[in-house]
Amino acid sequence: GDSVTQMEGPVTLSEEAFLTINCTYTATGYPSLFWYVQYPGEGLQLLLKATKADDKGSNKGFEATYRKETTSFHLEKGSVQVSDSAVYFCALSDRASKIIFGSGTRLSIRP
Amino acid sequence: DVKVTQSSRYLVKRTGEKVFLECVQDMDHENMFWYRQDPGLGLRLIYFSYDVKMKEKGDIPEGYSVSREKKERFSLILESASTNQTSMYLCASSFLQGAFYEQYFGPGTRLTVT
Repeated sequence: GDSVTQMEGPVTLSEEAFLTINCTYTATGYPSLFWYVQYPGEGLQLLLKATKADDKGSNKGFEATYRKETTSFHLEKGSVQVSDSAVYFCALSDRASKIIFGSGTRLSIRP
Repeated sequence: DVKVTQSSRYLVKRTGEKVFLECVQDMDHENMFWYRQDPGLGLRLIYFSYDVKMKEKGDIPEGYSVSREKKERFSLILESASTNQTSMYLCASSFLQGAFYEQYFGPGTRLTVT
């Protein structure tokens, strides 16, 4: 069945460092891809999305490009801030309204 | 703004108790979901509902049931709570946004079963 694999955490970086969180997927169709973020004590919220191959999703300085040839959707940010500390989930939706989530990557940013 | 609320942020119950977790959304969304979140396992879908009085099993429905009597409310029921149901429970609702469904999440209920 469909699945999402993302890099294990936790990831700890210094402020202003470059961030990459890897995500790959397996799907039989042509899924939409998402990154969700969960700040401490809160539910998940959609960070960015891409609905077809070669689309780039972006929001709050984060970017991810839908790469069909490598079945990947890696999350990147050029300069992280302490406020980016959160858990990040890669996810896909292949049909209807169901979403399949990866296991999450905890990101901690040191001042 | 879409709002998804859950009845409790923290809950402590004893083994064998019947537990009700309530979720309410205020945006007339058709779809509602219950997940549990455990470290290293991400979110796993327990049940979902596409309409009033309609429900479908997710990936881990054993030990749970649900009720959707009104469109805005989706309840998760633990018939006889067990310690392995200690977890964070997240409710979500969704609607069709162009080519995809965007899910909106509540803040979660952290349930401890002792």
